[in-house]
Amino acid sequence: QKEVEQDPGPLSVPEGAIVSLNCTYSNSAFQYFMWYRQYSRKGPELLMYTYSSGNKEDGRFTAQVDKSSKYISLFIRDSQPSDSATYLCAMGGAQKLVFGQGTRLTINP
Amino acid sequence: GAVVSQHPSWVICKSGTSVKIECRSLDFQATTMFWYRQFPKQSLMLMATSNEGSKATYEQGVEKDKFLINHASLTLSTLTVTSAHPEDSSFYICSARDPPDRDLVAFFGQGTRLTVV
Repeated sequence: QKEVEQDPGPLSVPEGAIVSLNCTYSNSAFQYFMWYRQYSRKGPELLMYTYSSGNKEDGRFTAQVDKSSKYISLFIRDSQPSDSATYLCAMGGAQKLVFGQGTRLTINP
Repeated sequence: GAVVSQHPSWVICKSGTSVKIECRSLDFQATTMFWYRQFPKQSLMLMATSNEGSKATYEQGVEKDKFLINHASLTLSTLTVTSAHPEDSSFYICSARDPPDRDLVAFFGQGTRLTVV
C-alpha cells in the first residue's frame, strides 16, 4: 500500500463547476499537508498548506484535512480554464515530503 | 512565497557527457534542498536530500556516482548527471524549504528537462 493515494484522473469539468480533489494516506505521523499545482513542463507551485485538521480557505481554494479519516481534499470554486493542471497533494511528518501521484484536471470553457 | 530558481530549464546533451543543473534559493537561505526526478504523467520521485556543507543523502536505488550533488552554500545546490545516457532523460526538479516558520513547506524550481541523445 502506498503511503499516499491520489486518483490520477483525468478529471474534466465545465468552467464554473466546483472541483473536488482528494488524497488518502496511511501514515498517522504526517503532520503537514500541502497542495501543489503543476502546469505541463513546469515545477510544482505551492497552493495551500496546513498543519491541522479542519478547513483553510484562500480565494477560490479550500483545503480540508480530516486526520481521523486520514483524508485530505482541495476544493476549487468557480473553476476557470487556467486552473487546468495537475494537482499534487503532499504530506510529511519528519524530514521528507511524500507526494501523491497527481490528478490531471481539465476545465472546459 | 519563497523563490527557487533552477537553471537551465532545458538541456540536450550527447551520450557520455556530463550535465550540471543549478538550484538557487533567491530570497532565503536553504540548509536543505531536495532533488526530484519526474517521468511523464507520474509523480515526483525523490532522488536525494542535499545538506549544506555535508554529503547528500541519496534514496535507495539512486546511484551516488552518477548523480553528483554539491551544496556548497546556503543558496546553491547543484546536481551533475555524469556520463549521461538516454535513459537519464527526464524532468529534474529541485526544491528547498524556507524555515523556520513553515517547517516542511517546500518551494520548487522551474524544473530542468534533460534530453540525452
